[in-house]
Amino acid sequence: DQQVKQNSPSLSVQEGRISILNCDYTNSMFDYFLWYKKYPAEGPTFLISISSIKDKNEDGRFTVFLNKSAKHLSLHIVPSQPGDSAVYFCAASPTTDSWGKLQFGAGTQVVVTP
Amino acid sequence: DGGITQSPKYLFRKEGQNVTLSCEQNLNHDAMYWYRQDPGQGLRLIYYSQIVNDFQKGDIAEGYSVSREKKESFPLTVTSAQKNPTAFYLCASSSDYEQYFGPGTRLTVT
Repeated sequence: DQQVKQNSPSLSVQEGRISILNCDYTNSMFDYFLWYKKYPAEGPTFLISISSIKDKNEDGRFTVFLNKSAKHLSLHIVPSQPGDSAVYFCAASPTTDSWGKLQFGAGTQVVVTP
Repeated sequence: DGGITQSPKYLFRKEGQNVTLSCEQNLNHDAMYWYRQDPGQGLRLIYYSQIVNDFQKGDIAEGYSVSREKKESFPLTVTSAQKNPTAFYLCASSSDYEQYFGPGTRLTVT
């Protein structure tokens, strides 16, 4: 049973415009959320995270928004650049889980076009 | 340079053979994880370990085994019992909820 869902497998966006990636979760115990970026044949790299005590976290061009009531989070990339073309994974964890296990979504492939 | 290394990057094996994937980290992290990634799917947790000499099964542990004899090392053995071993395998480590990943090993079994 997929507890973290990324319902858009792909997204195409023009360079300079905004990329919006969405993620939904079903487990109400999740209270820490992360976004990872992955290039082909490489390991994912951490982008940005958010705790459930916040509804927004910003780091440069990347902003994550959390809507706890809707169990929904989104990642905004502004402005999009060609190097942003990658697969983006949403991940979630309950901080009560001392093992730090993460549940990952299936990923969204972003293609930034000139 | 601190990080996680996985070797080899590409591995080819014949069906019926066991194969061991290496994972080493020098980040002084207590926790280490193994995931597999298949096309169109997210990362699925195979095994994880929070401390030396202790490890737990993840969501898809069948056909895999691990050991954690040293803090820095967490090798994964893909046994002949694993029905679909061809995949991209990722090792990660963490000291909190942010996991750091290695570059991965692409295993092909024919």
